[in-house]
Amino acid sequence: DVKVTQSSRYLVKRTGEKVFLECVQDMDHENMFWYRQDPGLGLRLIYFSYDVKMKEKGDIPEGYSVSREKKERFSLILESASTNQTSMYLCASSLRLSGSTDTQYFGPGTRLTVL
Amino acid sequence: ILNVEQSPQSLHVQEGDSTNFTCSFPSSNFYALHWYRWETAKSPEALFVMTLNGDEKKKGRISATLNTKEGYSYLYIKGSQPEDSATYLCALNTGTASKLTFGTGTRLQVTL
Repeated sequence: DVKVTQSSRYLVKRTGEKVFLECVQDMDHENMFWYRQDPGLGLRLIYFSYDVKMKEKGDIPEGYSVSREKKERFSLILESASTNQTSMYLCASSLRLSGSTDTQYFGPGTRLTVL
Repeated sequence: ILNVEQSPQSLHVQEGDSTNFTCSFPSSNFYALHWYRWETAKSPEALFVMTLNGDEKKKGRISATLNTKEGYSYLYIKGSQPEDSATYLCALNTGTASKLTFGTGTRLQVTL
């Protein structure tokens, strides 16, 4: 079974802090994704990566950066956390086969609160 | 920004009822449609991937149909059970590799 793990289920940070959210997958997937989920807005893509050291902006990249130094690990970084970044963050990975039909496998999510 | 719409936003049914909900998308952007189920406190899990107009997929009591020409997909649950309670997400792939655009979901609650 594919396993995607995220470093924390719940996290509380203060405005202005630098925040790292870590995601690890154990199935040698090429693709990794970071989403945030807010009530009434669904899952929105922040950044994704097709390979080590490669990254592409999603729909809402402002205020975030990412790092992929190893294939199995994809980190989301909030350089200076703000209250509007309070959200549920989900990581996902997929094996790059056809592209359009690749199933994404999700982690359990990190609920981040910025005070 | 691509608009993937799901309706209704939430649904409350009794055990044993059959139900269905809709995912609408711009037909001109279609490559594949994915359905996911997201139970509370768990990770979203893939249900179906659909690519062909007229496609129908089935997994137990859950099935889905696809109309790419008019831009919609229906998800059906026959004889709903409390364990079907979850948020059902549809997501559209528009050909940019594995990237998905998600709808806002339909939250289903099944009570005894």
